[in-house]
Amino acid sequence: AQSVTQLDSQVPVFEEAPVELRCNYSSSVSVYLFWYVQYPNQGLQLLLKYLSGSTLVKGINGFEAEFNKSQTSFHLRKPSVHISDTAEYFCAVSDQLSGYSTLTFGKGTMLLVSP
Amino acid sequence: NAGVTQTPKFQVLKTGQSMTLQCAQDMNHEYMSWYRQDPGMGLRLIHYSVGAGITDQGEVPNGYNVSRSTTEDFPLRLLSAAPSQTSVYFCASSYIGSGNTIYFGEGSWLTVV
Repeated sequence: AQSVTQLDSQVPVFEEAPVELRCNYSSSVSVYLFWYVQYPNQGLQLLLKYLSGSTLVKGINGFEAEFNKSQTSFHLRKPSVHISDTAEYFCAVSDQLSGYSTLTFGKGTMLLVSP
Repeated sequence: NAGVTQTPKFQVLKTGQSMTLQCAQDMNHEYMSWYRQDPGMGLRLIHYSVGAGITDQGEVPNGYNVSRSTTEDFPLRLLSAAPSQTSVYFCASSYIGSGNTIYFGEGSWLTVV
């Protein structure tokens, strides 16, 4: 079984400032890692994913994340945020070996960008 | 390309009523699943299916039934709705070899009064 911890429930930041949303996971097997974004009253959109290879993953809207296996982390970063980045962000993991395709989610981090 | 389609988008039920949330995907994906989203809880897996005729329970299956008679459809049934089932429900699909990359529907907002 896996678990995901998103360390901050809310992150307030000013426009054009950098931001990091933290995610740690626990698993006894190798995992795939994902970040999803949810805008108010909408569904989930995939931001980026780590399956294998380079530990620095670039996604949509200028976001990137770095997989750190020794620290079991997958933190999401953006060098300069916009008002439009205000949304809830979910980190998720999936077992590579399970033979089916389901995700274990963190509880989410609300990113609040103000002018 | 419609992707994952959920209906209805909004529904209000009375306690004890039954209903079915419909989910259809047109991508010929083998895997389908249902999640519920509650404030401060993230998304939790209710049921999933790895192919037609095969379903299994997730983290929070109580009070819900599913079936998978075709590859395309994966309905979620609430047998006797309770206020604790007030939530946003997401259907999702994926395919073998996708690295477990999951595609979500737009969600169904359910209120049980």
